[in-house]
Amino acid sequence: EPEVTQTPSHQVTQMGQEVILRCVPISNHLYFYWYRQILGQKVEFLVSFYNNEISEKSEIFDDQFSVERPDGSNFTLKIRSTKLEDSAMYFCASSRTPGNTIYFGEGSWLTVV
Amino acid sequence: KNEVEQSPQNLTAQEGEFITINCSYSVGISALHWLQQHPGGGIVSLFMLSSGKKKHGRLIATINIQEKHSSLHITASHPRDSAVYICAVTYGGSQGNLIFGKGTKLSVKP
Repeated sequence: EPEVTQTPSHQVTQMGQEVILRCVPISNHLYFYWYRQILGQKVEFLVSFYNNEISEKSEIFDDQFSVERPDGSNFTLKIRSTKLEDSAMYFCASSRTPGNTIYFGEGSWLTVV
Repeated sequence: KNEVEQSPQNLTAQEGEFITINCSYSVGISALHWLQQHPGGGIVSLFMLSSGKKKHGRLIATINIQEKHSSLHITASHPRDSAVYICAVTYGGSQGNLIFGKGTKLSVKP
């Protein structure tokens, strides 16, 4: 069964450093998403991406964050100048259309120290 | 602002029991999702529904649009069903902007 893959599975970074989380969505999907889950809290929407541009973003997704689809397969989340409170599990997801099932990756656990 | 409430927060069951997890939301939605989060953290989509009822194996999901309520049922529960079950909703025009509930942690004892 096709799946969304994410790398790295776990990353530890120093506060203030830049982090890039990578995702390979399912190949025939057109809509891509990032979510995050701080330990012990509920999952939160960050951003959706379609046709090479952001289609929707939450209040969390400020200038510290950016997304990119640098080639035909990868979808990345960049976090600049990381803060301790950015420590969380980040989930990439994709769907064929907005009304279809959303498929999640296994997550990338980011620890900022 | 749409809020998603789940109950119970924690649920312990004996193997074989019938399980019900409830989800309620505050404003009109376009779709409701039931997700399963494994102990390792990965999330799997179980159902997406906007009306009626869906069934997959031992899992059944129902939604009542008028009452703004959905239920996830697990028949003949098994220890491998132990996970966190999350309800999430989207509203009109949204693309992937899911509003998530806090989840229900289910533990099924053998």
